[in-house]
Amino acid sequence: GEDVEQSLFLSVREGDSSVINCTYTDSSSTYLYWYKQEPGAGLQLLTYIFSNMDMKQDQRLTVLLNKKDKHLSLRIADTQTGDSAIYFCAERDTGGFKTIFGAGTRLFVKA
Amino acid sequence: GAVVSQHPSWVICKSGTSVKIECRSLDFQATTMFWYRQFPKQSLMLMATSNEGSKATYEQGVEKDKFLINHASLTLSTLTVTSAHPEDSSFYICSATRRSALSNEQFFGPGTRLTVL
Repeated sequence: GEDVEQSLFLSVREGDSSVINCTYTDSSSTYLYWYKQEPGAGLQLLTYIFSNMDMKQDQRLTVLLNKKDKHLSLRIADTQTGDSAIYFCAERDTGGFKTIFGAGTRLFVKA
Repeated sequence: GAVVSQHPSWVICKSGTSVKIECRSLDFQATTMFWYRQFPKQSLMLMATSNEGSKATYEQGVEKDKFLINHASLTLSTLTVTSAHPEDSSFYICSATRRSALSNEQFFGPGTRLTVL
């Protein structure tokens, strides 16, 4: 079945760039997402990318998609302490409704 | 726009009792609602998918008699945890899908933390 994998932890200094990586198995995924979850809260959609795109930029966020390697990354420029959270990579299946989540990457930002 | 609310935000109950969690789409009609469960420091696990007016589709391993889902309208879905036990303690998150020109956008509620004593 579909699977999404992420590294569990990332620690960066404030002001540096953060890069969170994700791999997925379903080559027919239509949409790929990045969500942010702060402690005790629900999920906030940060950005998404269509499978026919290679890159998407939205202010401090840059998403890169390598379809050949089934690799997705999220780069956060000028990382701030408020960016400390868990970041989930997710893919939407070909049916269009079921979203498969990775385990989440916990980002620690040191002041 | 596209706000999803959950009620209650947290609940503590005794073992053996039933707990109902509501999920509402406040400013849009949700074609589909999803219920997820999240254990501490783990990812979201899809429990079931529900469409208004039809029976929910449960994921493998999820007991439908224990986790009752009612999707009474296009803006409300409820999850009832029946005869709750301590192992049911978890963070339950719902999401709702709104059809748009670009994608089946999915919006998440803030979650409900259930603690069963």
